[in-house]
Amino acid sequence: AQSVTQLGSHVSVSEGALVLLRCNYSSSVPPYLFWYVQYPNQGLQLLLKYTTGATLVKGINGFEAEFKKSETSFHLTKPSAHMSDAAEYFCAVSGVFGNEKLTFGTGTRLTIIP
Amino acid sequence: DAGVTQSPTHLIKTRGQQVTLRCSPKSGHDTVSWYQQALGQGPQFIFQYYEEEERQRGNFPDRFSGHQFPNYSSELNVNALLLGDSALYLCASSSRGRGSYEQYFGPGTRLTVT
Repeated sequence: AQSVTQLGSHVSVSEGALVLLRCNYSSSVPPYLFWYVQYPNQGLQLLLKYTTGATLVKGINGFEAEFKKSETSFHLTKPSAHMSDAAEYFCAVSGVFGNEKLTFGTGTRLTIIP
Repeated sequence: DAGVTQSPTHLIKTRGQQVTLRCSPKSGHDTVSWYQQALGQGPQFIFQYYEEEERQRGNFPDRFSGHQFPNYSSELNVNALLLGDSALYLCASSSRGRGSYEQYFGPGTRLTVT
């Protein structure tokens, strides 16, 4: 069985400050990990993914995440927050072959303070 | 290139009724997955269709059923609606036949059961 825990249901940062959204996973097999963003009244947009290889993954809009197997973590970061980053962020893990069901965390709502 | 499309956008039904939601996958994709997202929660996997067969199923009752057509589009049917079925229903498409790991989401159908 696989699961995802997102620490912090709400995170607020000032514009220009570092964004750090935490994700820990549990998986009995090598995981495929994803971060998605959801803007109000919209579907989910893929930010970045980790499959195999390089543990530091770069995504869209300046976001990146680092896969740390020893810590079972896949935290999302962005060096400088923009107002447009305000949204709900979901971490997800998929099955053995990477294209099976996604198991999502409960999400983190990011608020940007002007 | 059209992305994943879903219809209708919004739907209001009464308890006990039946509903059908529709999804057209992104061009070139052959796999459709359905998720239920309750308010304030992460998406929950319902089932996945590939080659017109249900390949995986989440922890949802038999009231939830689906179908995939030869053109890869899909339907989600829910019978005997309950108030708890009120949610955003998301469709995601991917290219299982090509070994792709990315699932692309549609904008969702907001179902309200009264």
